[in-house]
Order: sequence, then C-alpha cells, then structure tokens
Amino acid sequence: RKEVEQDPGPFNVPEGATVAFNCTYSNSASQSFFWYRQDCRKEPKLLMSVYSSGNEDGRFTAQLNRASQYISLLIRDSKLSDSATYLCVVNLYQAGTALIFGKGTTLSVSS
Amino acid sequence: EADIYQTPRYLVIGTGKKITLECSQTMGHDKMYWYQQDPGMELHLIHYSYGVNSTEKGDLSSESTVSRIRTEHFPLTLESARPSHTSQYLCASSFDGGNYGYTFGSGTRLTVV
Repeated sequence: RKEVEQDPGPFNVPEGATVAFNCTYSNSASQSFFWYRQDCRKEPKLLMSVYSSGNEDGRFTAQLNRASQYISLLIRDSKLSDSATYLCVVNLYQAGTALIFGKGTTLSVSS
Repeated sequence: EADIYQTPRYLVIGTGKKITLECSQTMGHDKMYWYQQDPGMELHLIHYSYGVNSTEKGDLSSESTVSRIRTEHFPLTLESARPSHTSQYLCASSFDGGNYGYTFGSGTRLTVV
C-alpha cells in the first residue's frame, strides 16, 4: 500500500466549478500535511499547509481528519489558471524521514 | 525570486559519462534533499542531508552520490550515466525538517542517450 494515495485524475471541469480532491495516508504517526501545486514540467510549489481545524486561503479550503487519515482540498470558483497537478504531502517528522509525496491529481479547467 | 538554484536546467549526455548536478540555496537552511521524478509519477527521495558532512540515502535506490561540504551547496553526482538515469531531479531545502514544507529548485531534466 502506498503511503499517500490520491484520487485518480484527471479532473476536467468548467470555469467556475467547485472541485474536491481527496487523499489518504497510511502512517498514523504523520504529523504535518500539505498540498503542493505542480505545473507541467515545473517544480512543486507549496499551496497550503493543512491543519486539524481546517483552513482556508481564498478559494482554497483544506481539511484534515486524523481519525480517518484523510485530507481534502476544495477549490471553489475554478479558474483557468488553476489547471495543474495537486500533490498531497505528509511529513512523519521523525529522524531519517522527509516529506512523502502522493502521485498527484491533475486538474484541467476549461472555458 | 528563487532562493534555491539548480544547474543545469536541461542536460543531454552520453552513456558512461560522469555528471554532477548542482544545487545551491541562499536561505541558510540546514536540511537539503534530492528527489527524482519521472513524468506522471510521484517524487521519490534519493538523498538527504541534515547539515554539513551529513548525508543519507533516501527511499529510492539510486546509483548517485551526494556531498555536503558547505551549508549552501548539495551537489549530486552520477559516476557513469545510463539511460535508466533519465529523469527529472529536484533539489529542495527546509529549515526545520518540513514543518513548513520545502522550497524546491527548478529541477534538472536529465536525458542519457
């Protein structure tokens, strides 16, 4: 079983749509969580951290459910510029470990 | 403006050549990482360093080696490149081991022919 699993893509949505991505992680000792965005042939860039209480940044809302080991990202009012691959990332934050990346979910927003 | 720099951005090289991929950061971060990413696939950790003279292998077996002689510099070397090494190599750094995420360089896209 992969340590971080994400919804298979691609998600093809029209502008203005609301889209939700899900992610599950296998290690209950995971301590911090993130969503990264990766444009085609570019490096990943931090989109937002995910907190237990849930957090929002403009049109983006992230939720964490530790009991279910589940993370979500909601994008409201999708823009063409939101087209990218969204990576779910967890950190065990133990010696000898690093961030563990999911395979990513590709979003394509069309006009 | 990028604070972590990778060179070269693209590299096409013949089999058997020795190559070094450069990574430098100006943020004073102690922790640095090398990830390998094939198209459409997840990032895999191949090496990391928690400070000067500290290097460890990551989860993905790799024939590459790294060194950390200076805080800001974390080069990756392939002694004898093979077509199976064709991939994108991403360098990253963090100041606290990832509690606030990592900053990535722009990557080196390596093709071995």
